[in-house]
Amino acid sequence: DGGITQSPKYLFRKEGQNVTLSCEQNLNHDAMYWYRQDPGQGLRLIYYSQIVNDFQKGDIAEGYSVSREKKESFPLTVTSAQKNPTAFYLCASSMTPLRSETQYFGPGTRLLVL
Amino acid sequence: DAKTTQPNSMESNEEEPVHLPCNHSTISGTDYIHWYRQLPSQGPEYVIHGLTSNVNNRMASLAIAEDRKSSTLILHRATLRDAAVYYCILRDDRGSTLGRLYFGRGTQLTVWP
Repeated sequence: DGGITQSPKYLFRKEGQNVTLSCEQNLNHDAMYWYRQDPGQGLRLIYYSQIVNDFQKGDIAEGYSVSREKKESFPLTVTSAQKNPTAFYLCASSMTPLRSETQYFGPGTRLLVL
Repeated sequence: DAKTTQPNSMESNEEEPVHLPCNHSTISGTDYIHWYRQLPSQGPEYVIHGLTSNVNNRMASLAIAEDRKSSTLILHRATLRDAAVYYCILRDDRGSTLGRLYFGRGTQLTVWP
C-alpha cells in the first residue's frame, strides 16, 4: 500500500528543545516537501528537496532544518530558534518537481509547545 | 508567485452540482492550474489539473476559460464527503519556483443534507 507516512500525529515541544518530525514515502518519488499550516490559513513552504542529498529553502525556512540522505525519507527538525512553532506540519512528495506533477500529502503532524 | 482569487466560502445541497470559481488574471502561458482540497485535520488531496483544455476525472471536471484568466472546478453531484477547503493553485517551472505550490486561503465548501 503506497503512500506517505508522518509521525508522530501529535508532538509536544518544551521551550528551547529541538524536535524532529518524520516523513517517509514508498512511492519512489524524487521530490519531497515540507509545509506549515496555521489555523485558517493556507500552506506555506518550509523546505523542499528535488533529489537525494539536495534541498532548498522555501519561504519560511528560518528555525528549521532538513536532511535528505535517503530517497524515502525527509525529516524536518524544528529548532529552538523557531519562536512560534505551534502549527500543523505537512509533508508531501511528487514523482518529479515539474509543474505538471501531482503532489501527494501525508496525514500531518500537529506540533504544540508546552 | 502567480496569484489566484477564490470566494471565501460557498454552500451547496447534497446531490446538486457545485461550481467553484477561480480567477487568475496574471497567469502565464506555462502555468498549470491545479486544484487540491483539504478536509479538517488532514493533508490536502489532489483533485484535478489542466493547462488549456477542459479536463475530466472521476472526482471532478475543470473548465478553463479560453483566455485562461479564470477556471471553474465542477463537482457534478455534491456529497457530504465533498465538504472541504478547495484550493486553486498555479504552478510553473521557472527558476526558483520549480515544484512549489502556493496555497491561498481557498474556498470553504459547505454541503447541506
